[in-house]
Amino acid sequence: GAVVSQHPSRVICKSGTSVKIECRSLDFQATTMFWYRQFPKQSLMLMATSNEGSKATYEQGVEKDKFLINHASLTLSTLTVTSAHPEDSSFYICSVVTIAKNIQYFGAGTRLSVL
Amino acid sequence: QQQVKQSPQSLIVQKGGISIINCAYENTAFDYFPWYQQFPGKGPALLIAIRPDVSEKKEGRFTISFNKSAKQFSLHIMDSQPGDSATYFCAASMVDTGGFKTIFGAGTRLFVKA
Repeated sequence: GAVVSQHPSRVICKSGTSVKIECRSLDFQATTMFWYRQFPKQSLMLMATSNEGSKATYEQGVEKDKFLINHASLTLSTLTVTSAHPEDSSFYICSVVTIAKNIQYFGAGTRLSVL
Repeated sequence: QQQVKQSPQSLIVQKGGISIINCAYENTAFDYFPWYQQFPGKGPALLIAIRPDVSEKKEGRFTISFNKSAKQFSLHIMDSQPGDSATYFCAASMVDTGGFKTIFGAGTRLFVKA
């Protein structure tokens, strides 16, 4: 069964609105979750590392005020795309890593389309 | 030193044939090498993985071959089926002082002809 639950799977929004994406770890508590962005026909690009109870760590070039990450519990991380614009349209995927064996699992992804 | 080079970029195989995808890494600190399968519009799914203490791992039709000295590993899909048509990503992972890190290959788009 699924290890990671990600919602919504698809969202279409108007330019200037904010969109929240949820990522839940179903099978275990995750002190760390990861958020990726994937452009068509490209590999996964790490955006940020979400740390439970503390601030997220963003990769170079990722605007932390644009992509707000909240990791309020050991099973839930959220990514909010603030004031979305068409260039933010992409496929966003969250990921969790098992503590014991460092195995990485991914959510089903969220297709964001900003009109 | 953090790159993972994956080839080929795309691959067309006849049904029943063997699909082979290759990856090479540089940093010997990597200690976990997974392969992910991704269908269009879906997240990557863990397919099979290997750690550097073994040279081969087989799960059903999928086999990873690992060459530690050459810093290379490959995915073999035996008896390839049209349902295997997807994008495959290799990856290399490790845990260092900064935490868990994964580097992904660029991906290989596999098409299996019926």
